[in-house]
Amino acid sequence: ETGVTQTPRHLVMGMTNKKSLKCEQHLGHNAMYWYKQSAKKPLELMFVYNFKEQTENNSVPSRFSPECPNSSHLFLHLHTLQPEDSALYLCASSRQLAGGLADTQYFGPGTRLTVL
Amino acid sequence: AQKVTQAQTEISVVEKEDVTLDCVYETRDTTYYLFWYKQPPSGELVFLIRRNSFDEQNEISGRYSWNFQKSTSSFNFTITASQVVDSAVYFCALSEEAPQGGSEKLVFGKGTKLTVNP
Repeated sequence: ETGVTQTPRHLVMGMTNKKSLKCEQHLGHNAMYWYKQSAKKPLELMFVYNFKEQTENNSVPSRFSPECPNSSHLFLHLHTLQPEDSALYLCASSRQLAGGLADTQYFGPGTRLTVL
Repeated sequence: AQKVTQAQTEISVVEKEDVTLDCVYETRDTTYYLFWYKQPPSGELVFLIRRNSFDEQNEISGRYSWNFQKSTSSFNFTITASQVVDSAVYFCALSEEAPQGGSEKLVFGKGTKLTVNP
């Protein structure tokens, strides 16, 4: 069983399209994360959800809209993207411990997004 | 501010060579965690190790070993007798203490691309 799954694995979209990325974790974790990985840049944390509540928005443009309906699922809704948004989008999950501490983050395989 | 530096952008070795990937970090936290992840061409980040700041004991797992030295703020990773399957990008990461009401985050280095040639 794969711990964290992401769909689709590849996505090509135009700047006027609306699409969604999906992440699902089967590890019983209660925290989920979206990261962006662009070429030659460090991983950038985008959003964090703890127990379905958003606890971090790392100054992400509003054309990226996250949704966390439950602790196992996380979505990233995309609309009116720009070519520079092309990147690998990685989802991760972890146990959230007391005092804001987090256990090890486990990552999904990512969605390779290309914006034309 | 937290910072992780992986000075080696790319390393190329021949199979069976030993290779060490360097990681230097900066933090003001007294309690923190250090991590290494492997990212093969498929894209997924694979967790390798997590080390508590109070535990400076070196760790060995098969061909992998880690050397944590608080005095030099380094957490280096050595692969012994490298294999072609070890080819990947390796990331070192540091946990960042959560702000009030927030969540602990990871700060990643830029990664070291390791190529093991047959």
